[in-house]
Amino acid sequence: AQSVAQPEDQVNVAEGNPLTVKCTYSVSGNPYLFWYVQYPNRGLQFLLKYITGDNLVKGSYGFEAEFNKSQTSFHLKKPSALVSDSALYFCAVRDSFYNAGNMLTFGGGTRLMVKP
Amino acid sequence: DGGITQSPKYLFRKEGQNVTLSCEQNLNHDAMYWYRQDPGQGLRLIYYSQIVNDFQKGDIAEGYSVSREKKESFPLTVTSAQKNPTAFYLCASKDRGTQETQYFGPGTRLLVL
Repeated sequence: AQSVAQPEDQVNVAEGNPLTVKCTYSVSGNPYLFWYVQYPNRGLQFLLKYITGDNLVKGSYGFEAEFNKSQTSFHLKKPSALVSDSALYFCAVRDSFYNAGNMLTFGGGTRLMVKP
Repeated sequence: DGGITQSPKYLFRKEGQNVTLSCEQNLNHDAMYWYRQDPGQGLRLIYYSQIVNDFQKGDIAEGYSVSREKKESFPLTVTSAQKNPTAFYLCASKDRGTQETQYFGPGTRLLVL
């Protein structure tokens, strides 16, 4: 079984400050981990993914995420937040063990609010 | 959103009516997926298809039906059996293989009159 949790419904940060959006996961095998961003009334946009290799993954728009196997976490980070980063962020996981359809399990989402 | 189109952007359903949501992709992806998103919630999988003429139920398939007659198209029908259809519907596609990313369309918002 695979599951993912985003413990914060909302994260507030001031523009220019660093931001972190938390994600923890549970899988039977090795995890494939993804971050997506959603702007109002839009589809999800892919930000970055971890499959294997370096634990620090860099993605679009200056975002990065750190895979921590011992803590089963994949937190999204950005050194300096922009007001335009305000959106809904989703973490998703897929177990490396075979699952029919290669299905992703999504977290409930975290709303990021960046204030000027 | 590039490469995957969904139409219409907004759809209104009357009581007892079946409605069909369109999803088309020009990415030559083998797998396609339909998700439902409710306010303040994450995505739930309705149906998925890994290959033409084959599809499987997801977590919340009741009240929905799909077809996959062409590689590029995966329409979703919301039937009258779906008693609470108001939601944002998202279509996604993915290339063959284990690591490839799912890419999403812009979504269709379904409202009940």
